[in-house]
Amino acid sequence: DTGVSQDPRHKITKRGQNVTFRCDPISEHNRLYWYRQTLGQGPEFLTYFQNEAQLEKSRLLSDRFSAERPKGSFSTLEIQRTEQGDSAMYLCASSLDRSSYEQYFGPGTRLTVT
Amino acid sequence: DQQVKQNSPSLSVQEGRISILNCDYTNSMFDYFLWYKKYPAEGPTFLISISSIKDKNEDGRFTVFLNKSAKHLSLHIVPSQPGDSAVYFCAASSSFGNEKLTFGTGTRLTIIP
Repeated sequence: DTGVSQDPRHKITKRGQNVTFRCDPISEHNRLYWYRQTLGQGPEFLTYFQNEAQLEKSRLLSDRFSAERPKGSFSTLEIQRTEQGDSAMYLCASSLDRSSYEQYFGPGTRLTVT
Repeated sequence: DQQVKQNSPSLSVQEGRISILNCDYTNSMFDYFLWYKKYPAEGPTFLISISSIKDKNEDGRFTVFLNKSAKHLSLHIVPSQPGDSAVYFCAASSSFGNEKLTFGTGTRLTIIP
């Protein structure tokens, strides 16, 4: 078990560009979450997948954001037409099933929009 | 609105003494609570959790206490060690809400050798 991995770890992009992040959860975990953390704040929920189904999206997730988990394994989070306000740490977490509340986080992708 | 609050942004404790981190919540639907520890440039690491049917859970040097009537929980670390220096986040979850976590703003704990 190698834990949750995220790629890339850092991304610097210019305003208006599109970016895509990848998350590989712990292999037997069927639940996958995306969170965003800005300076001085705790992580904030963005969206949640159970297997390949996206079951909930936060109002924080504007229409410029899209997430997929095509085969119920890895997930991608895409941000289109990035804005400076998108600069944050994007965290992915996974958990085993409904009976397990503990979520295990990856190291995050730090996005800087210039 | 901040549903989970950690009112102390920072805390300094002498090595070997007890560290007590506090957390308050407002949403009565929360029924599971967790503490995470975070080092710089890393994701949060799960530390300990407690269900709302309990008032205490212990794991080695870490104990979490839950006071449901006061909507308050605390994390006790004893004895504190230099490696405990990190930011600690309190998080809450509801079995009615896809178990997504709602986090507090964190408390930076510094252990003084």
